Amino acid sequence: DGGITQSPKYLFRKEGQNVTLSCEQNLNHDAMYWYRQDPGQGLRLIYYSQIVNDFQKGDIAEGYSVSREKKESFPLTVTSAQKNPTAFYLCASSIRVVAGPLDFGAGTRLSVL
Amino acid sequence: DQQVKQNSPSLSVQEGRISILNCDYTNSMFDYFLWYKKYPAEGPTFLISISSIKDKNEDGRFTVFLNKSAKHLSLHIVPSQPGDSAVYFCAASGKDRTTSGTYKYIFGTGTRLKVLA
Repeated sequence: DGGITQSPKYLFRKEGQNVTLSCEQNLNHDAMYWYRQDPGQGLRLIYYSQIVNDFQKGDIAEGYSVSREKKESFPLTVTSAQKNPTAFYLCASSIRVVAGPLDFGAGTRLSVL
Repeated sequence: DQQVKQNSPSLSVQEGRISILNCDYTNSMFDYFLWYKKYPAEGPTFLISISSIKDKNEDGRFTVFLNKSAKHLSLHIVPSQPGDSAVYFCAASGKDRTTSGTYKYIFGTGTRLKVLA
């Protein structure tokens, strides 16, 4: 079954700690995306990547970092510089070169202890 | 600067009637538009999309209309069913000119639809 797997489903961060959210896809999609959802604010783009070893900042990249070492994987690190990390994080992927729908994972809920 | 706007945070409709959800965008470079349905604590589910070369696309009970001159799109659900109750997001997409062709997707803030039985 093709799809996007996000883990963990729930994650807790202590003050000053970096945490990493995992995103893996087996859809053979080139492009991958990270979004953040806050109540009443919709989905805001954090980072996106079109190919391995290449990624671009979205609208709210400050305090986050990503890597794209494999086509299937696009982990997101929430650093201690992100002062308000509590949110629902969504990973998505799409075929890069033609317009098509984004496929989403089930999300990770990050909370601060 | 919000490039994609859904000005109605919520909408209530009687079962069997039409639901109309609206979305406005500001960037004329967007050329592909989508609607997603989302339940709490889950990922969004793709519903229907439309390319900028069309003004209407239908899929069963769902129809999306695009008015390029007004930079407006709408989703019609007919007939509405209680299972349609969810948050609906519109999204607009266009090729990112700072990269070599990745599509960048911008989402609205969502409209919560409640279908009353």
